Amino acid sequence: GAGVSQSPRYKVAKRGQDVALRCDPISGHVSLFWYQQALGQGPEFLTYFQNEAQLDKSGLPSDRFFAERPEGSVSTLKIQRTQQEDSAVYLCASSLIWQYNEQFFGPGTRLTVL
Amino acid sequence: SQELEQSPQSLIVQEGKNLTINCTSSKTLYGLYWYKQKYGEGLIFLMMLQKGGEEKSHEKITAKLDEKKQQSSLHITASQPSHAGIYLCGAVSSGNTGKLIFGQGTTLQVKP
Repeated sequence: GAGVSQSPRYKVAKRGQDVALRCDPISGHVSLFWYQQALGQGPEFLTYFQNEAQLDKSGLPSDRFFAERPEGSVSTLKIQRTQQEDSAVYLCASSLIWQYNEQFFGPGTRLTVL
Repeated sequence: SQELEQSPQSLIVQEGKNLTINCTSSKTLYGLYWYKQKYGEGLIFLMMLQKGGEEKSHEKITAKLDEKKQQSSLHITASQPSHAGIYLCGAVSSGNTGKLIFGQGTTLQVKP
Protein backbone atom coordinates (compact mmCIF):
# COMPACT_ATOMS: atom_id res chain seq x y z
CA GLY A 1 0.00 0.00 0.00
CA ALA A 2 0.95 3.65 -0.20
CA GLY A 3 1.42 4.18 3.50
CA VAL A 4 1.29 2.58 6.92
CA SER A 5 -2.15 1.24 7.74
CA GLN A 6 -3.56 0.27 11.11
CA SER A 7 -6.69 -1.58 12.13
CA PRO A 8 -9.05 -1.20 13.73
CA ARG A 9 -9.11 2.60 13.77
CA TYR A 10 -11.26 2.58 16.90
CA LYS A 11 -11.64 -0.04 19.56
CA VAL A 12 -13.81 -0.02 22.65
CA ALA A 13 -13.07 -2.72 25.19
CA LYS A 14 -14.48 -3.58 28.55
CA ARG A 15 -11.98 -3.68 31.37
CA GLY A 16 -10.39 -7.10 31.49
CA GLN A 17 -10.82 -7.90 27.81
CA ASP A 18 -7.91 -8.74 25.54
CA VAL A 19 -7.35 -6.64 22.40
CA ALA A 20 -5.19 -7.02 19.31
CA LEU A 21 -4.08 -4.06 17.21
CA ARG A 22 -2.68 -4.57 13.73
CA CYS A 23 -0.08 -2.61 11.79
CA ASP A 24 0.73 -3.00 8.08
CA PRO A 25 4.00 -1.14 7.42
CA ILE A 26 5.18 0.15 4.09
CA SER A 27 6.40 -2.75 1.98
CA GLY A 28 10.14 -3.26 2.31
CA HIS A 29 10.55 -1.24 5.47
CA VAL A 30 12.89 -3.02 7.84
CA SER A 31 12.14 -1.07 11.01
CA LEU A 32 8.80 -0.97 12.79
CA PHE A 33 7.96 1.00 15.90
CA TRP A 34 4.95 1.09 18.23
CA TYR A 35 4.17 4.23 20.21
CA GLN A 36 1.45 5.06 22.74
CA GLN A 37 -0.06 8.54 22.77
CA ALA A 38 -2.16 9.67 25.71
CA LEU A 39 -4.56 12.57 25.25
CA GLY A 40 -2.72 15.87 25.05
CA GLN A 41 0.73 14.26 25.12
CA GLY A 42 3.40 13.37 22.63
CA PRO A 43 3.82 9.74 21.55
CA GLU A 44 5.84 7.49 23.85
CA PHE A 45 7.93 4.61 22.56
CA LEU A 46 6.73 1.10 23.28
CA THR A 47 8.74 -1.35 21.19
CA TYR A 48 10.91 -1.73 18.09
CA PHE A 49 11.37 -4.47 15.49
CA GLN A 50 14.10 -4.90 12.92
CA ASN A 51 12.55 -7.34 10.47
CA GLU A 52 11.08 -10.07 12.70
CA ALA A 53 13.43 -9.47 15.62
CA GLN A 54 12.13 -7.47 18.55
CA LEU A 55 15.27 -5.56 19.50
CA ASP A 56 13.85 -3.17 22.06
CA LYS A 57 10.78 -3.60 24.25
CA SER A 58 11.88 -1.27 27.00
CA GLY A 59 8.81 0.94 26.62
CA LEU A 60 6.17 -1.71 27.15
CA PRO A 61 4.41 -0.61 30.37
CA SER A 62 3.69 -4.06 31.75
CA ASP A 63 3.78 -7.75 30.93
CA ARG A 64 0.19 -7.41 29.75
CA PHE A 65 1.57 -5.83 26.57
CA PHE A 66 2.98 -8.11 23.90
CA ALA A 67 4.05 -7.40 20.33
CA GLU A 68 5.08 -9.61 17.46
CA ARG A 69 6.13 -9.39 13.83
CA PRO A 70 6.56 -13.04 12.88
CA GLU A 71 7.33 -12.64 9.17
CA GLY A 72 9.02 -9.29 9.29
CA SER A 73 6.11 -7.36 7.81
CA VAL A 74 2.72 -7.11 9.60
CA SER A 75 2.91 -6.51 13.33
CA THR A 76 0.37 -7.06 16.08
CA LEU A 77 0.28 -5.34 19.46
CA LYS A 78 -1.70 -7.34 21.99
CA ILE A 79 -2.91 -6.06 25.32
CA GLN A 80 -4.20 -8.59 27.78
CA ARG A 81 -6.67 -7.86 30.58
CA THR A 82 -7.07 -4.23 29.52
CA GLN A 83 -7.21 -1.54 32.18
CA GLN A 84 -8.62 1.99 31.97
CA GLU A 85 -5.11 3.45 31.95
CA ASP A 86 -4.49 1.62 28.67
CA SER A 87 -6.88 4.02 26.92
CA ALA A 88 -4.79 5.90 24.37
CA VAL A 89 -3.99 6.13 20.68
CA TYR A 90 -1.57 3.44 19.57
CA LEU A 91 0.61 4.54 16.68
CA CYS A 92 2.68 2.36 14.42
CA ALA A 93 5.59 3.70 12.36
CA SER A 94 7.94 2.13 9.86
CA SER A 95 11.19 3.22 8.27
CA LEU A 96 13.46 1.89 5.57
CA ILE A 97 16.32 1.14 7.89
CA TRP A 98 16.73 2.66 11.34
CA GLN A 99 18.58 5.68 12.64
CA TYR A 100 18.13 9.03 10.97
CA ASN A 101 15.54 7.74 8.57
CA GLU A 102 12.11 9.28 8.29
CA GLN A 103 9.58 7.30 10.27
CA PHE A 104 6.25 7.03 8.45
CA PHE A 105 3.33 6.91 10.84
CA GLY A 106 -0.01 5.18 10.48
CA PRO A 107 -3.30 6.85 11.47
CA GLY A 108 -3.33 5.10 14.83
CA THR A 109 -5.82 2.97 16.73
CA ARG A 110 -7.81 4.80 19.39
CA LEU A 111 -8.41 2.38 22.26
CA THR A 112 -11.02 3.19 24.88
CA VAL A 113 -11.28 0.90 27.89
CA LEU A 114 -14.52 1.21 29.82
CA SER B 1 17.03 10.10 30.09
CA GLN B 2 16.52 12.73 27.43
CA GLU B 3 13.57 15.09 27.64
CA LEU B 4 12.13 17.50 25.11
CA GLU B 5 10.26 20.62 26.16
CA GLN B 6 8.10 22.47 23.65
CA SER B 7 6.90 26.03 23.97
CA PRO B 8 4.37 27.38 23.82
CA GLN B 9 1.94 24.56 24.63
CA SER B 10 -0.74 26.24 22.55
CA LEU B 11 -0.96 29.16 20.19
CA ILE B 12 -3.78 31.09 18.55
CA VAL B 13 -2.79 33.42 15.71
CA GLN B 14 -4.60 35.48 13.13
CA GLU B 15 -4.31 34.28 9.57
CA GLY B 16 -1.34 35.90 7.87
CA LYS B 17 0.73 36.27 11.04
CA ASN B 18 4.13 34.66 11.60
CA LEU B 19 4.79 32.34 14.52
CA THR B 20 7.59 30.34 16.13
CA ILE B 21 7.51 27.09 18.11
CA ASN B 22 10.52 26.05 20.16
CA CYS B 23 11.84 22.67 21.19
CA THR B 24 14.52 22.43 23.88
CA SER B 25 16.39 19.26 24.74
CA SER B 26 17.99 18.27 28.04
CA LYS B 27 20.82 16.60 26.07
CA THR B 28 22.63 17.11 22.77
CA LEU B 29 20.43 16.38 19.80
CA TYR B 30 21.75 13.91 17.22
CA GLY B 31 18.69 14.01 15.01
CA LEU B 32 15.67 16.26 15.44
CA TYR B 33 12.37 15.62 13.65
CA TRP B 34 9.39 17.90 13.26
CA TYR B 35 5.99 16.32 12.69
CA LYS B 36 2.48 17.70 12.33
CA GLN B 37 -0.59 15.89 13.62
CA LYS B 38 -4.23 16.60 13.02
CA TYR B 39 -6.77 15.36 15.53
CA GLY B 40 -7.53 11.68 15.02
CA GLU B 41 -4.76 11.22 12.49
CA GLY B 42 -1.19 10.02 12.41
CA LEU B 43 1.94 12.13 12.28
CA ILE B 44 3.00 13.81 9.07
CA PHE B 45 6.76 14.26 8.61
CA LEU B 46 7.84 17.85 8.06
CA MET B 47 11.62 18.01 8.37
CA MET B 48 14.68 16.43 9.95
CA LEU B 49 17.76 18.30 11.16
CA GLN B 50 21.08 16.80 12.14
CA LYS B 51 23.86 19.32 11.94
CA GLY B 52 24.42 22.25 14.28
CA GLY B 53 23.30 25.45 12.58
CA GLU B 54 21.30 23.55 9.98
CA GLU B 55 18.22 25.19 8.54
CA LYS B 56 15.60 23.65 6.24
CA SER B 57 12.54 25.11 4.60
CA HIS B 58 9.46 23.67 2.98
CA GLU B 59 6.90 26.03 1.58
CA LYS B 60 6.24 28.52 4.40
CA ILE B 61 7.75 26.45 7.19
CA THR B 62 11.38 26.80 8.28
CA ALA B 63 13.12 24.72 10.92
CA LYS B 64 16.49 25.43 12.51
CA LEU B 65 18.82 23.53 14.81
CA ASP B 66 21.08 25.72 16.93
CA GLU B 67 24.87 25.43 16.89
CA LYS B 68 24.96 23.70 20.25
CA LYS B 69 22.38 21.20 19.04
CA GLN B 70 20.15 21.52 22.07
CA GLN B 71 17.36 23.65 20.70
CA SER B 72 15.30 23.73 17.54
CA SER B 73 12.73 26.20 16.31
CA LEU B 74 9.94 25.90 13.78
CA HIS B 75 8.86 29.11 12.09
CA ILE B 76 5.73 29.56 10.00
CA THR B 77 5.48 32.60 7.78
CA ALA B 78 2.12 34.10 6.82
CA SER B 79 0.09 31.42 8.60
CA GLN B 80 -2.99 29.89 6.97
CA PRO B 81 -5.87 27.87 8.40
CA SER B 82 -4.29 24.78 6.79
CA HIS B 83 -1.36 25.17 9.19
CA ALA B 84 -3.60 24.43 12.17
CA GLY B 85 -2.81 21.27 14.08
CA ILE B 86 -0.43 19.85 16.66
CA TYR B 87 3.29 20.25 16.04
CA LEU B 88 5.59 17.70 17.61
CA CYS B 89 9.35 17.64 17.84
CA GLY B 90 11.02 14.26 18.18
CA ALA B 91 14.63 13.38 18.92
CA VAL B 92 16.57 10.26 18.16
CA SER B 93 17.33 8.75 21.52
CA SER B 94 20.63 7.21 22.44
CA GLY B 95 21.18 3.67 21.36
CA ASN B 96 20.94 2.09 17.98
CA THR B 97 17.25 1.51 17.48
CA GLY B 98 16.21 4.87 16.06
CA LYS B 99 13.34 5.22 18.52
CA LEU B 100 12.13 8.77 18.97
CA ILE B 101 11.54 10.76 22.14
CA PHE B 102 8.80 13.36 21.59
CA GLY B 103 7.93 16.67 23.13
CA GLN B 104 4.42 17.17 24.47
CA GLY B 105 3.28 19.01 21.36
CA THR B 106 2.19 22.55 20.49
CA THR B 107 -1.40 23.08 19.42
CA LEU B 108 -1.78 25.76 16.77
CA GLN B 109 -5.05 27.44 15.86
CA VAL B 110 -5.19 29.90 12.97
CA LYS B 111 -8.15 32.27 12.94
CA PRO B 112 -9.38 33.24 9.48
